Amino acid sequence: EAGVTQFPSHSVIEKGQTVTLRCDPISGHDNLYWYRRVMGKEIKFLLHFVKESKQDESGMPNNRFLAERTGGTYSTLKVQPAELEDSGVYFCASSQGRATNEKLFFGSGTQLSVL
Amino acid sequence: AQKITQTQPGMFVQEKEAVTLDCTYDTSDPSYGLFWYKQPSSGEMIFLIYQGSYDQQNATEGRYSLNFQKARKSANLVISASQLGDSAMYFCAMREVNFNKFYFGSGTKLNVKP
Repeated sequence: EAGVTQFPSHSVIEKGQTVTLRCDPISGHDNLYWYRRVMGKEIKFLLHFVKESKQDESGMPNNRFLAERTGGTYSTLKVQPAELEDSGVYFCASSQGRATNEKLFFGSGTQLSVL
Repeated sequence: AQKITQTQPGMFVQEKEAVTLDCTYDTSDPSYGLFWYKQPSSGEMIFLIYQGSYDQQNATEGRYSLNFQKARKSANLVISASQLGDSAMYFCAMREVNFNKFYFGSGTKLNVKP
């Protein structure tokens, strides 16, 4: 069974440019999450999809970030225009349900560097 | 307020010795789950162990055990007989059932010395 995959693994862009990150969750997982880790800090929640619907987007930093999950399968996270403080590792995770003991399955992350 | 606190940014341990990685949490939700993940240098996040808030016994998974002290709101990870392959970042996490949020700490970088 394929795990959570993220693309690209690394992205280096200049301030003001646009970047789109992609996440393919485990097949059949309705719940998809985006997280971000800035170096040395905690992994912070960005948003949560249940199928194609945004369940919680309280962690999205501002309106430069746009996440979509068309058809409830893969998800994209677009940053436009990118700022220096957007640099970090963006993780995608998925889970089948939302029970307390339901663990998240993570992708390997996208390392975003904004110069 | 920080939901998950990991106070040890970095730790060293001698190979074959045991090591404890600290984690404290903050929640008013009576039902929650506590998790530990390992992130080696390759980047993937690997699930290690889970403890439910209502579990009476401490969770164990091979060389990993979770020292769960509910009254103190701590969920420390104990790795016994450390191996060189245990060198990695370790993240403590909590899922609150009522808010369906998954919170992470800032991580502890463990280095196992030969």
